[in-house]
Amino acid sequence: DAKTTQPTSMDCAEGRAANLPCNHSTISGNEYVYWYRQIHSQGPQYIIHGLKNNETNEMASLIITEDRKSSTLILPHATLRDTAVYYCIVRVEGGTASKLTFGTGTRLQVTL
Amino acid sequence: KAGVTQTPRYLIKTRGQQVTLSCSPISGHRSVSWYQQTPGQGLQFLFEYFSETQRNKGNFPGRFSGRQFSNSRSEMNVSTLELGDSALYLCASSFGQSGGETQYFGPGTRLLVL
Repeated sequence: DAKTTQPTSMDCAEGRAANLPCNHSTISGNEYVYWYRQIHSQGPQYIIHGLKNNETNEMASLIITEDRKSSTLILPHATLRDTAVYYCIVRVEGGTASKLTFGTGTRLQVTL
Repeated sequence: KAGVTQTPRYLIKTRGQQVTLSCSPISGHRSVSWYQQTPGQGLQFLFEYFSETQRNKGNFPGRFSGRQFSNSRSEMNVSTLELGDSALYLCASSFGQSGGETQYFGPGTRLLVL
């Protein structure tokens, strides 16, 4: 699986959009971008994933650049409950490559 | 639909003992993966079971083992516990038909080895 690079930490004011970047310059054509978050000492929570098109669900939007070398997770209206560590992971979908390789993630602090 | 459940949630053991942790996947999911999370090493993959067979394995010593039952429930066992085994142990389930489907995590079991 390709390696990802994320900022160590970010701050965001409550109610504003949180934009979390991720670089994955060595991503392969069959690798998806996944985002998970982990709120303190809980299990990681799946947020969203995508291949090359932008994706949106009830939690967030995922914007992937045309060359697929980077992506941005957008939380449109951050709340205090969005304070967590956010992990960007690239992995092959399909086959038997089931393991997730977590990096150090971005610690997002949402403040009043 | 109920999520992934793990028991027990907290556990205290002493060095040299062994421990068994349990994971019940989301209904219909046949793949269960186990991860260890420590402050120093972060989240690391232990192994994955699908249809009662170990399909993938991480880089952990043989003291860490697992199994899966016919109802897809899984257990992991750590023998001869060491202080460094203190960690949050997480399991994740997925449909498992192809290994790359979205994995959903349980709340974890926090193990403290004294």
